[in-house]
Amino acid sequence: EAQVTQNPRYLITVTGKKLTVTCSQNMNHEYMSWYRQDPGLGLRQIYYSMNVEATDKGDVPEGYKVSRKEKRNFPLILESPSPNQTSLYFCASSLRGTGGFSNQPQHFGDGTRLSIL
Amino acid sequence: AQSVAQPEDQVNVAEGNPLTVKCTYSVSGNPYLFWYVQYPNRGLQFLLKYITGDNLVKGSYGFEAEFNKSQTSFHLKKPSALVSDSALYFCAVRGQASGGSYIPTFGRGTSLIVHP
Repeated sequence: EAQVTQNPRYLITVTGKKLTVTCSQNMNHEYMSWYRQDPGLGLRQIYYSMNVEATDKGDVPEGYKVSRKEKRNFPLILESPSPNQTSLYFCASSLRGTGGFSNQPQHFGDGTRLSIL
Repeated sequence: AQSVAQPEDQVNVAEGNPLTVKCTYSVSGNPYLFWYVQYPNRGLQFLLKYITGDNLVKGSYGFEAEFNKSQTSFHLKKPSALVSDSALYFCAVRGQASGGSYIPTFGRGTSLIVHP
């Protein structure tokens, strides 16, 4: 089954304790991205990657890191989490279409709910 | 900068009645427009997209959307609502112009509630 898998689904942790949220897709998609979803704000992109070893900042990258060493995996790293990073996080992937990535729909994981105390 | 507005936080409709969820956008050049649906505790699922061509786009689960360039709108519609359509709906835009961002912009979402 084609899917984007995120782990963990839920995490409660404390300020300053490094954490990693994993994301893996089995569709051989070139493009992967991370979003956070906050009430009243919709989805905002944190980082994206257009292929292995190619990452770039989205709208809200501060306090986050990513890496893309393999095509299927795109982990999100919070080196020193803070309470304002409490949110619902989504990983997504898409194909490169004719003319680029912009005309392709994204496939989303089921989300990771992070609570940072 | 590109932007998306979903002017209604919530839309209520009776089962069997037509529904409309509104979306307007602002983008440089021609837009790529998308609708997604989110059910509780799930990620977003793609419904339909407008890239070019016919202004009326048909998608999954009987949904359709009408692209109106002059009004910069992309409203989501369904002729007959089902209780199971109750969910959170997101409109998204990506600019098509050269130098346009790969970063899609999402609206804040509209909660659709279909009453039996």
